[in-house]
Formats: sequence, C-alpha cells, structure tokens
Amino acid sequence: DGGITQSPKYLFRKEGQNVTLSCEQNLNHDAMYWYRQDPGQGLRLIYYSQIVNDFQKGDIAEGYSVSREKKESFPLTVTSAQKNPTAFYLCASSIGGLAGNEQFFGPGTRLTVL
Amino acid sequence: KQEVTQIPAALSVPEGENLVLNCSFTDSAIYNLQWFRQDPGKGLTSLLLIQSSQREQTSGRLNASLDKSSGRSTLYIAASQPGDSATYLCAVYNTNAGKSTFGDGTTLTVKP
Repeated sequence: DGGITQSPKYLFRKEGQNVTLSCEQNLNHDAMYWYRQDPGQGLRLIYYSQIVNDFQKGDIAEGYSVSREKKESFPLTVTSAQKNPTAFYLCASSIGGLAGNEQFFGPGTRLTVL
Repeated sequence: KQEVTQIPAALSVPEGENLVLNCSFTDSAIYNLQWFRQDPGKGLTSLLLIQSSQREQTSGRLNASLDKSSGRSTLYIAASQPGDSATYLCAVYNTNAGKSTFGDGTTLTVKP
C-alpha cells in the first residue's frame, strides 16, 4: 500500500532531551512537510523540503531541525531549545512543483514533555 | 501574510440536514485550496482540491466552491450522517510564499 508512515505514534520526552520523529513515504513524492498542531488550532509549518538534500524553514522552525538525505525520508528532531514541544506533529508529502502540491498526510505523532 | 479563517468553530446539526462550512482568506493570490477532514487524534484526509481557475469540485455528497476574488470557499455537505462528524480544515496554497496556510477548522457534530 502506498502512503505515509510516522513513528512512533506516542512519544514522551524529558526536559533537556532531543528526540527524533520519523516520517517515511513510498509515494515517490518529491516534496515533504512537517507541521505542528496544538489543541483546537490549525496546522503551523515547521520545515519543508521540495527536493532531496534541500529544505527550508517554515513559520515556526526555532528549536527544530530536519534532514533530507533520501527522497522517502524526512526526519524531524525536536531539540531542547524548543520551549514548548508538547503537541501533535504531522508529516505530509506532495508530488512537488506548482501542479503537484496536493498534500497527503501521515497519521501523526503525539509528543508529550514530562 | 496570508490569514485563513473558518467560521463557525463548531457546528451541531441533526442527521439528514444539508450544511455549509466556510473558509475565508485574506490574500487572493492563491494557486489552489484544499479541504481536509480530521478525526480525533488522527492525521488529515484530503477531501477536495480546487485549483484557482476552477469554481467548484464535487465528490459524492461533498461540493466545494471557490470565489477567489472575494477570498471565500465553502464546503457543502448534503444529507449529513453521524459518520460525517469530524473537524474540517481548509488550506490555501500561495504561489509567492511557496507554502500552504491552514485555517483552525470547524468541528462538526451530526446527531442521530
């Protein structure tokens, strides 16, 4: 089945720890995105990548880092510099380019800081 | 900066009713608009994508319209069912920004 997978589904982090959220897609999409969702709110863009080995900051990139070494993978690291990381994190992908920016989403990872 | 607003934030209707969800945006220079459904604790499911050159798109009981000049889109749900209960989000893609902006969503409850 083609789709986007995120792992883990739930993640607990202690203060001061870095954690990495996984996002994998087998849709052969060029573009991938990371969003953060807080309760009762829409999605805010953290980072996005239009092509392998290239990525851009979104609206709330501070305290986060990403890499895009493979087309199918776009991991997100939440660093200790992120002051309020408890949230629902969603990964998405699209074919890429203007004509192919319809986004498809993974099931999400819920991160809780203890 | 693009701003997307969805009103109302919550809506409760009896089963069988037809309903309209609203999405408004401030910058009309959009490339397309996408409607999503989100169930509690889940990811987003794409419902409809409307290109800026289109006026509407239909899928089953769903019909989405777009009036780019007035900065508005509506999602029409016909003959609502309890299974339609979810949060509905719209997102607009701006060519100049190269990214999408999401509304906060409308949470729909359809009562049996």
